[in-house]
Amino acid sequence: AQSVTQLGSHVSVSEGALVLLRCNYSSSVPPYLFWYVQYPNQGLQLLLKYTTGATLVKGINGFEAEFKKSETSFHLTKPSAHMSDAAEYFCAVSSGGAGSYQLTFGKGTKLSVIP
Amino acid sequence: NAGVTQTPKFQVLKTGQSMTLQCAQDMNHNSMYWYRQDPGMGLRLIYYSASEGTTDKGEVPNGYNVSRLNKREFSLRLESAAPSQTSVYFCASSERGAYSNQPQHFGDGTRLSIL
Repeated sequence: AQSVTQLGSHVSVSEGALVLLRCNYSSSVPPYLFWYVQYPNQGLQLLLKYTTGATLVKGINGFEAEFKKSETSFHLTKPSAHMSDAAEYFCAVSSGGAGSYQLTFGKGTKLSVIP
Repeated sequence: NAGVTQTPKFQVLKTGQSMTLQCAQDMNHNSMYWYRQDPGMGLRLIYYSASEGTTDKGEVPNGYNVSRLNKREFSLRLESAAPSQTSVYFCASSERGAYSNQPQHFGDGTRLSIL
């Protein structure tokens, strides 16, 4: 079975500060990993994804994430927060085995950006 | 590009009423999904359709039925609505499922309240 844990349901940062959103996963096979962003009253939009190859993945809006197999982590970072980054962020994993059609989501981290 | 279109956007039902949520995608994707989103719970898969003509249960299928009408359309039906089904429902599609590196594309959601 696969699972995703996002540490911190709510993170607050000051505008211009580093954004770090944590995601740990469990998977019995090499995973595919995704970060999605959800703005109020909207659906989820793909920020970035890790499939194979380079472990540092760059996404839209200046976000990036690093796949660390030894730590089973896929943390999302952005060097300098902007007010427009305020949203909810979801980490998700796709892996094989039973229920392999499922994309399993974490419970989300709501990011607030303080002016 | 419309992407994934969900109708209606909002709906209020009384307990025991039935309704169908509609979803259509114009990306020629093979796989389609229905999720529900509840505060603090992330997204939970209700049903999915790996390809036209097939449907399977996800994590929380009780009280719901689905129909994959054709490759474009995937509907979710509540036969006898219950207050516990108050939620935001998201439809998504992907090029293919099954341990896939293909991201899912989401609609903007249907906000459903059951009194």
